[in-house]
Amino acid sequence: TQLLEQSPQFLSIQEGENLTVYCNSSSVFSSLQWYRQEPGEGPVLLVTVVTGGEVKKLKRLTFQFGDARKDSSLHITAAQPGDTGLYLCAGKRGSARQLTFGSGTQLTVLP
Amino acid sequence: NAGVTQTPKFRVLKTGQSMTLLCAQDMNHEYMYWYRQDPGMGLRLIHYSVGEGTTAKGEVPDGYNVSRLKKQNFLLGLESAAPSQTSVYFCASSWAQESPLHFGNGTRLTVT
Repeated sequence: TQLLEQSPQFLSIQEGENLTVYCNSSSVFSSLQWYRQEPGEGPVLLVTVVTGGEVKKLKRLTFQFGDARKDSSLHITAAQPGDTGLYLCAGKRGSARQLTFGSGTQLTVLP
Repeated sequence: NAGVTQTPKFRVLKTGQSMTLLCAQDMNHEYMYWYRQDPGMGLRLIHYSVGEGTTAKGEVPDGYNVSRLKKQNFLLGLESAAPSQTSVYFCASSWAQESPLHFGNGTRLTVT
């Protein structure tokens, strides 16, 4: 059982559509990060959220950390083919030294 | 500025063979990590290091050993490879415990 559950596992949409992907847990996290990974490369950090209820925007991407710090969402407005990739959430619990990663959402944006 | 460099990029091993994966970072980061990535499993931490000369076990350490003799290098060893170790291996580094991870581009290992 994954500590961080991401949904959906796969998502294929047309260019211009909006989408939301989710990262859920039964545990509380002190911080949560979102990464994007493209084929043949390592994950690259998009954002870190640390406060319950926090919302951060990165151009067309909006990230939200749940009030209870157990879940997070990533919303993309007007998706573009360049948004295609594997989106991974990763959280740090309390005083834990290492991050726990979710299994990811594979997003494909078709032109 | 190369960031995090992993060598080799690809490797095929027979069961029972040994090998070492090399990770080098030029950002003067204290923390370094080895992860494996398998379909549907996300990234799982194998071993990590919080500084030169230190190592610690992660979530899935069995069958692997690591060494951090120099601050910039973190080596991952497989003493007797098994098919279950077929995976993509990623090295990462960070300034501190709360800092974002910087990843290399991975090593694809196949054990037959």
